[in-house]
Amino acid sequence: QQQVKQSPQSLIVQKGGISIINCAYENTAFDYFPWYQQFPGKGPALLIAIRPDVSEKKEGRFTISFNKSAKQFSLHIMDSQPGDSATYFCAASTRGTSYGKLTFGQGTILTVHP
Amino acid sequence: ETGVTQTPRHLVMGMTNKKSLKCEQHLGHNAMYWYKQSAKKPLELMFVYSLEERVENNSVPSRFSPECPNSSHLFLHLHTLQPEDSALYLCASSQESSNQPQHFGDGTRLSIL
Repeated sequence: QQQVKQSPQSLIVQKGGISIINCAYENTAFDYFPWYQQFPGKGPALLIAIRPDVSEKKEGRFTISFNKSAKQFSLHIMDSQPGDSATYFCAASTRGTSYGKLTFGQGTILTVHP
Repeated sequence: ETGVTQTPRHLVMGMTNKKSLKCEQHLGHNAMYWYKQSAKKPLELMFVYSLEERVENNSVPSRFSPECPNSSHLFLHLHTLQPEDSALYLCASSQESSNQPQHFGDGTRLSIL
């Protein structure tokens, strides 16, 4: 019940295209859903995050769509660029602790071809 | 220096060695974390320190021993490791509170011979 399932494992997109990565969860106590971006040789960096009281959050070319009833959320990267090539992780955590206890998806390797 | 700094970046050790990984954060955070990242697996939370007190230990073998001497420093002491312990070990920090962003270091790539 603590799992977060992420798909696809890898994604190839042409420059200018839309990249879509999906995540699903079972634990209805999750109430914070961040996405992290990781480049080779670097640690994950927070990209964008959403709470379940909104259905969508947009920051530049990155949008999270959240479907509470389906227990799914997704990352959309508009106008994908070669510099977006990285591994993307979705995650989820619950309230009620004094620290962050993130459950991560398995990651999606995104390759954007020029 | 800003952010979360981990040293060393790479470590090769034999199964009988003892070594330590170091993490330092310059963000004024008071919660720190150790994660293990293996290929094709989700990041695994190993330990959490909140206000310098260990609050989470996710069934990690005793050959991994964390230490948090103050809110800015975190260590992971290693001894008698196994080949399956080869992975990228990531440190992160956040402000104490649930659902605060975690800031990661670039990790230590550990290889066990």
